[in-house]
Amino acid sequence: DVKVTQSSRYLVKRTGEKVFLECVQDMDHENMFWYRQDPGLGLRLIYFSYDVKMKEKGDIPEGYSVSREKKERFSLILESASTNQTSMYLCASSSPGQGAIEQFFGPGTRLTVL
Amino acid sequence: LAKTTQPISMDSYEGQEVNITCSHNNIATNDYITWYQQFPSQGPRFIIQGYKTKVTNEVASLFIPADRKSSTLSLPRVSLSDTAVYYCLVGDGNTPLVFGKGTRLSVIA
Repeated sequence: DVKVTQSSRYLVKRTGEKVFLECVQDMDHENMFWYRQDPGLGLRLIYFSYDVKMKEKGDIPEGYSVSREKKERFSLILESASTNQTSMYLCASSSPGQGAIEQFFGPGTRLTVL
Repeated sequence: LAKTTQPISMDSYEGQEVNITCSHNNIATNDYITWYQQFPSQGPRFIIQGYKTKVTNEVASLFIPADRKSSTLSLPRVSLSDTAVYYCLVGDGNTPLVFGKGTRLSVIA
């Protein structure tokens, strides 16, 4: 069974802390994505990666960075957490290709920044 | 990326068939139409995908007219467990999917 796992389901951090959100997939997918989801705003794309050591900005990259050192792992980094980064963070992966747009999502990490 | 428009919310009684229509007037030749389902506190889950005409699986049917400018997700005989947000997306697999706000379906007993 395909699987995307995220390091934590719930996380509480303080303003100014550096935060790491880890995502691991076991499907050998090339593509990985980080979204955040807020009430009334749907899912918004933060960063994505089409290959190891590659990264592309999504719609809302400000305040975030990412790391993809291995194919199966995609990390989201909040360099200095702020209260407006309190949100649900969702990681996803997929294979590239024509029409192959089934993304597999992890369970999400609900981050609270105090 | 083609933009999609779908109703913000819908209500249905248990046992009814639910049809959620999505418009995507600017769909490109290479784009496929995909629908996802999301329950509270979970990530979205792929339901069905199609290019044209009709696609059916164990969960839903997807109807796509010849001009492909819209699509309809059909859920047969819904139950309370079908209460969720449903997202309609279009894409060619080579660029990230853009999730809108989806349609919040509430199934009532």
